[in-house]
Amino acid sequence: AQSVTQLDSQVPVFEEAPVELRCNYSSSVSVYLFWYVQYPNQGLQLLLKYLSGSTLVESINGFEAEFNKSQTSFHLRKPSVHISDTAEYFCAVSRALAGNTPLVFGKGTRLSVIA
Amino acid sequence: EAQVTQNPRYLITVTGKKLTVTCSQNMNHEYMSWYRQDPGLGLRQIYYSMNVEVTDKGDVPEGYKVSRKEKRNFPLILESPSPNQTSLYFCASRGTANTGELFFGEGSRLTVL
Repeated sequence: AQSVTQLDSQVPVFEEAPVELRCNYSSSVSVYLFWYVQYPNQGLQLLLKYLSGSTLVESINGFEAEFNKSQTSFHLRKPSVHISDTAEYFCAVSRALAGNTPLVFGKGTRLSVIA
Repeated sequence: EAQVTQNPRYLITVTGKKLTVTCSQNMNHEYMSWYRQDPGLGLRQIYYSMNVEVTDKGDVPEGYKVSRKEKRNFPLILESPSPNQTSLYFCASRGTANTGELFFGEGSRLTVL
């Protein structure tokens, strides 16, 4: 079975500062990795995903994540955050090449951007 | 517009009074799932469905029932709600492959007194 650990439950950061949200996973098989974002009072939305190929994946709003197989990590980074990035971020994992299997979520990291 | 619709969005009820939270998607997705979100615990899967008439337990199925009689609908049933089922519930759907995006509803906040 797969599992996900998000190492920080809350991350406060000043506007325009860089941020890293950490995610580690555990699996005995190949995986797909995802980051979802939940803005206040909304459902979750896909931010970015890693399926195969380049280990660095990017979102349209400046976030990026790097798949590191040796460290079983998929940390999310942004070089300069905005107030609008304030949200809860969830890392998720599923088995690769395994058809329609469930997605396993981490417990979330609440990012608070301070003006 | 592609969407997952949940109703009701907010509900206060009392212990033991049966209730149903409806979920409907308009994307012809095979896979649908229910999650509950609680502070400090993240999202935990309650039940999921790979297709019509196919449902499976997730991590926290106790106290819940589901059915999948039609592809677009996946209602969550609480036969006898208890206060520990007070939570924020999300329905989600996805196409066949697990490489795809999971689309979430806006959530249903349930309070059981």
